[in-house]
Amino acid sequence: EAEVAQSPRYKITEKSQAVAFWCDPISGHATLYWYRQILGQGPELLVQFQDESVVDDSQLPKDRFSAERLKGVDSTLKIQPAELGDSAMYLCASSPVFRAEGTDTQYFGPGTRLTVL
Amino acid sequence: AQTVTQSQPEMSVQEAETVTLSCTYDTSESDYYLFWYKQPPSRQMILVIRQEAYKQQNATENRFSVNFQKAAKSFSLKISDSQLGDAAMYFCAPSSNTGKLIFGQGTTLQVKP
Repeated sequence: EAEVAQSPRYKITEKSQAVAFWCDPISGHATLYWYRQILGQGPELLVQFQDESVVDDSQLPKDRFSAERLKGVDSTLKIQPAELGDSAMYLCASSPVFRAEGTDTQYFGPGTRLTVL
Repeated sequence: AQTVTQSQPEMSVQEAETVTLSCTYDTSESDYYLFWYKQPPSRQMILVIRQEAYKQQNATENRFSVNFQKAAKSFSLKISDSQLGDAAMYFCAPSSNTGKLIFGQGTTLQVKP
């Protein structure tokens, strides 16, 4: 069964350092999402891509966060510089073409657990 | 803005019994979907069940079913014949008109043997 891949699974960094996370969606999925999940809370959307275009990045802290999906397949989320408050789980999800075939179902990867010291 | 309320931070159920997790939401959109996701201690988010808002019939998936009350904006999840593997955090999540999911705070379900 196809899955969303993410790496690394765990990342420990010191504040002010740069970190990057990678996501490879299910093959053929046009829509890709990055969510941030603080421990004990529900995930919140950071950025949504449709192919290589950004659909929604309204909650992305653009002074330190950036995201790209250059060829409309895999995606990278970067934080520079990292802050203590960035410690969280970063989840990637993908879904087929938006609203095609009547489904919005998103499939999640295992996440990257970030700890900022 | 869309909001989601899961009023039960923690729930407990005896193995083989039935439990219902509640969820209410607020949206101004007319076309949307609602989801329940499960996140076991390993932390991977797994789809439990999906409901199209335009459908009046409640969705079912094996031991999982929903009670969808569109006018009341209520979307509860019923788990029948609870199993130890059902222990997890459960999230209610309606989708927005762009497809993003709006998650509640979650309900931690404990299943007692």
